[in-house]
Amino acid sequence: DGGITQSPKYLFRKEGQNVTLSCEQNLNHDAMYWYRQDPGQGLRLIYYSQIVNDFQKGDIAEGYSVSREKKESFPLTVTSAQKNPTAFYLCASSIAPGQNQPQHFGDGTRLSIL
Amino acid sequence: GENVEQHPSTLSVQEGDSAVIKCTYSDSASNYFPWYKQELGKRPQLIIDIRSNVGEKKDQRIAVTLNKTAKHFSLHITETQPEDSAVYFCAARSNSGGGADGLTFGKGTHLIIQP
Repeated sequence: DGGITQSPKYLFRKEGQNVTLSCEQNLNHDAMYWYRQDPGQGLRLIYYSQIVNDFQKGDIAEGYSVSREKKESFPLTVTSAQKNPTAFYLCASSIAPGQNQPQHFGDGTRLSIL
Repeated sequence: GENVEQHPSTLSVQEGDSAVIKCTYSDSASNYFPWYKQELGKRPQLIIDIRSNVGEKKDQRIAVTLNKTAKHFSLHITETQPEDSAVYFCAARSNSGGGADGLTFGKGTHLIIQP
């Protein structure tokens, strides 16, 4: 969707390095999510945020961190503790949490190891 | 937590025929079931969703059915066209599990439309 912008499109990480993936939305959505997609696999939830200054761990949060200082922004940091970071990372948002509203995705960031 | 199984992993049908993809879920508290279409290297796009208070929903050539008792839901595509070729993902959202708000996805079905 045009309202969710992820950057960069491609990212390379050196060993021991932390990298941050950007996700911005101008849809005025309260809820934002980060998913990881590995080849031939479905999406797995890393973190989600239902409101500013609050976020919760998903199914595979280890080695990742997030912040939600502004409603429109939900950056994801892949830390050096994440030993297998190569994947396609997708950010999503929905109007409101907990109300079964559709989640719409950004174009994703493809992270690789140098 | 929720677990979603999706079958088949690959489905090849002749153009014009129908395609059916099936998913089962484990958490009886799940109440929202979207379907996404993903083309190679692109974002998943929502194509249809269903909530647990209805058994069927249709949008042109696409329909989704839900059987809450059996905990399974299916995607039906009729009169398939070449542009339907993509990977399709089912997902489920549960109200239980400490307020978890994300979706649990199946592993995807690669739909191939043969001309």
